[in-house]
Amino acid sequence: RKEVEQDPGPFNVPEGATVAFNCTYSNSASQSFFWYRQDCRKEPKLLMSVYSSGNEDGRFTAQLNRASQYISLLIRDSKLSDSATYLCVVMAAGGQNFVFGPGTRLSVLP
Amino acid sequence: ETGVTQTPRHLVMGMTNKKSLKCEQHLGHNAMYWYKQSAKKPLELMFVYSLEERVENNSVPSRFSPECPNSSHLFLHLHTLQPEDSALYLCASSQTGNTEAFFGQGTRLTVV
Repeated sequence: RKEVEQDPGPFNVPEGATVAFNCTYSNSASQSFFWYRQDCRKEPKLLMSVYSSGNEDGRFTAQLNRASQYISLLIRDSKLSDSATYLCVVMAAGGQNFVFGPGTRLSVLP
Repeated sequence: ETGVTQTPRHLVMGMTNKKSLKCEQHLGHNAMYWYKQSAKKPLELMFVYSLEERVENNSVPSRFSPECPNSSHLFLHLHTLQPEDSALYLCASSQTGNTEAFFGQGTRLTVV
């Protein structure tokens, strides 16, 4: 089993749609969780950290379920500029290895 | 953004060449990383340095040799690479303690 797995995608959605991405991780010792976005031929950039209580940043909401080892990202009112690959990232406690999922490609269509 | 800077941005090298990739971070972080991103594959960790000591090496071939002279600089020395080593090489830094990593823009390497 891969350490971090994500929806295979791609997701093609119209502007204004709500889209949800799922991620599961295998290491129960993982303590830190993040969503990154990566535009084509660019470096990954932090979108948001994911906290146990869940957190929201504008149109983006992240949720963590430790019991199920599951992380989600919800994007509301999709914009054309949201088109990118979304990467789920986990790190074990005290670790120094950010483990990346394969990413889910999102295309927001006009 | 100049938090993590990588040079060169693009590199084409022959299989018998020796080259080095450079990374510099201006964020005061104490950990630095080399990742490899091949087409249609997840980012793969190559090396981690914490407080200038290598703490993790994910069984990377010896034709890749990292060097971390101080907490702000990281190098990846390349020699006798193979065409399958062509990829985007990303440097990142973080502050240990489960905080996020910041990436450089990467070096797109092509081995011919």
